[in-house]
Amino acid sequence: TQLLEQSPQFLSIQEGENLTVYCNSSSVFSSLQWYRQEPGEGPVLLVTVVTGGEVKKLKRLTFQFGDARKDSSLHITAAQPGDTGLYLCAGEGAGGGADGLTFGKGTHLIIQP
Amino acid sequence: GAVVSQHPSWVICKSGTSVKIECRSLDFQATTMFWYRQFPKQSLMLMATSNEGSKATYEQGVEKDKFLINHASLTLSTLTVTSAHPEDSSFYICSARSTGPLPTQYFGPGTRLTVL
Repeated sequence: TQLLEQSPQFLSIQEGENLTVYCNSSSVFSSLQWYRQEPGEGPVLLVTVVTGGEVKKLKRLTFQFGDARKDSSLHITAAQPGDTGLYLCAGEGAGGGADGLTFGKGTHLIIQP
Repeated sequence: GAVVSQHPSWVICKSGTSVKIECRSLDFQATTMFWYRQFPKQSLMLMATSNEGSKATYEQGVEKDKFLINHASLTLSTLTVTSAHPEDSSFYICSARSTGPLPTQYFGPGTRLTVL
């Protein structure tokens, strides 16, 4: 069974600060996705990283996939109240996603104005 | 982007009744769909994989006779919660996996099930 350890689980910071969310595993993933979920809604895909060492940027969000494809990070620069939400990392295993995604426990992020 | 819909968005039922939830991929075909369950303040847990034209595969601990899955077409999968009990109350989310060079799972908006 592949497990994803996501940290921190809860984070509350002031507007304008930077933060990093980590997603770690002892298993290798063929790809890793980051989602954001609002209460009562389904997860919305932010990014997919596939190649070890890959870095992708989405405005103030920077996503990195570890060289060994076992870990990933999400860095938010100058956080804004609109960034508040549940952030989920999810890994796709060697089966290429045919077996479903393995989700981390999520990071509940609150950005205070 | 690809859109996945779920119906109903919420349902309240009495204990012992059955509830059917539909998951549709609106603008793409999905040979594989997935059903997840999410309890409050927790992450998503995979329940089962729904394959078009074949039997679903269930994760360990998920009762296949209680959670019936049918994937009758390339755009529709259904989850039926049979003889529902209060402990089945949860947020059920489906996803549809697109094909192509970078297959991606697109999630539906979820269905809130409350069993009284």
